[in-house]
Amino acid sequence: EDQVTQSPEALRLQEGESSSLNCSYTVSGLRGLFWYRQDPGKGPEFLFTLYSAGEEKEKERLKATLTKKESFLHITAPKPEDSATYLCAGDSGGSNYKLTFGKGTLLTVNP
Amino acid sequence: KAGVTQTPRYLIKTRGQQVTLSCSPISGHRSVSWYQQTPGQGLQFLFEYFSETQRNKGNFPGRFSGRQFSNSRSEMNVSTLELGDSALYLCASSIGEFTEAFFGQGTRLTVV
Repeated sequence: EDQVTQSPEALRLQEGESSSLNCSYTVSGLRGLFWYRQDPGKGPEFLFTLYSAGEEKEKERLKATLTKKESFLHITAPKPEDSATYLCAGDSGGSNYKLTFGKGTLLTVNP
Repeated sequence: KAGVTQTPRYLIKTRGQQVTLSCSPISGHRSVSWYQQTPGQGLQFLFEYFSETQRNKGNFPGRFSGRQFSNSRSEMNVSTLELGDSALYLCASSIGEFTEAFFGQGTRLTVV
């Protein structure tokens, strides 16, 4: 059974304190690993797609990386507006298309 | 470019009733997926449609059903509502396989 596990469940940082979120996955026939950001009461907002081990993508203070078993979302010098739940999901693709989501990491950045 | 639109945003229903939720995908997107989000289970896959065909279905009872129209708009229906069906229902659209899915704001369903 496909499974995506995120850690930690919650993370509290001071503004400017860099850290990383982890996403480990066992998704058969993984075609892509996705990162989303979700604010309370809203739908997930797309951040990154990673397709192969060794791939990296950056956007402002965020950088996502992928290995054969896990993905990391690195947050450099975070600001309070980065506070949100960060979700990762594996795409099994093909005729069994669906996204399998982890339960997310709730990030709080204090000023 | 308009995003994914879900209607209604909020809904309150009584146990035993049925409900229909609507999703209009981004123009040009042919794949529409539905997810249920609850605090305990997170986001769980319901089903996915591509060009009016259901390609995959998650582990939900038959009370949950959906369809997609020729213009890619999609609806999901839940019959005989139970208290446990209270959740945020999210729709996502994508161009096709292996591409990023963009989510709507969701429909918050409360069953009383």
